[in-house]
Amino acid sequence: KQEVTQIPAALSVPEGENLVLNCSFTDSAIYNLQWFRQDPGKGLTSLLLIQSSQREQTSGRLNASLDKSSGRSTLYIAASQPGDSATYLCAVTLGNTDKLIFGTGTRLQVFP
Amino acid sequence: DAGVIQSPRHEVTEMGQEVTLRCKPISGHNSLFWYRQTMMRGLELLIYFNNNVPIDDSGMPEDRFSAKMPNASFSTLKIQPSEPRDSAVYFCASTLTGTNTEAFFGQGTRLTVV
Repeated sequence: KQEVTQIPAALSVPEGENLVLNCSFTDSAIYNLQWFRQDPGKGLTSLLLIQSSQREQTSGRLNASLDKSSGRSTLYIAASQPGDSATYLCAVTLGNTDKLIFGTGTRLQVFP
Repeated sequence: DAGVIQSPRHEVTEMGQEVTLRCKPISGHNSLFWYRQTMMRGLELLIYFNNNVPIDDSGMPEDRFSAKMPNASFSTLKIQPSEPRDSAVYFCASTLTGTNTEAFFGQGTRLTVV
């Protein structure tokens, strides 16, 4: 059974810091991995999708890497801003079914 | 496209009542998912439809839960009878299977059963 874990569970940093969020999964036979952002009381917004054949994806200040063999992904946020405060979730898909298995999330707070 | 649309946004009901949650996926998407989010268990997949057919309902917690997708643009999740432990946020998501593209989520329905 695929299990997805995120560390740390919560993170509080001052504005401007570069930070790394971690995601690990137990079964390396994934189809892709997605990082989502969730604001309080809102739905999930997709940030980045990394296909199983890719090593990383970048969007603006965000960079996500994938190491399938070790079952790990990291989300790097450069020059963090208070507007980045949210919960960040990673999710893996199995085979080609697009069923997303989610991690427990990292709650990020960036203070001015 | 307006994205995935869920209704209602909030629902408060008494224990034992029937609750129906609704979802309109993004036009052209062929897969639809219902998830439940709680503080204790995080996001759990309840059921997954592909081309309107239920493919995997192993996450549906009990027979009190049922889901239908009568056509490509509409799905319902029904709880009958509802119980306080069903209180959670229910999300619907859609995607185009096989294209390695993102899943898009609705804003969710916050269900409170008292």
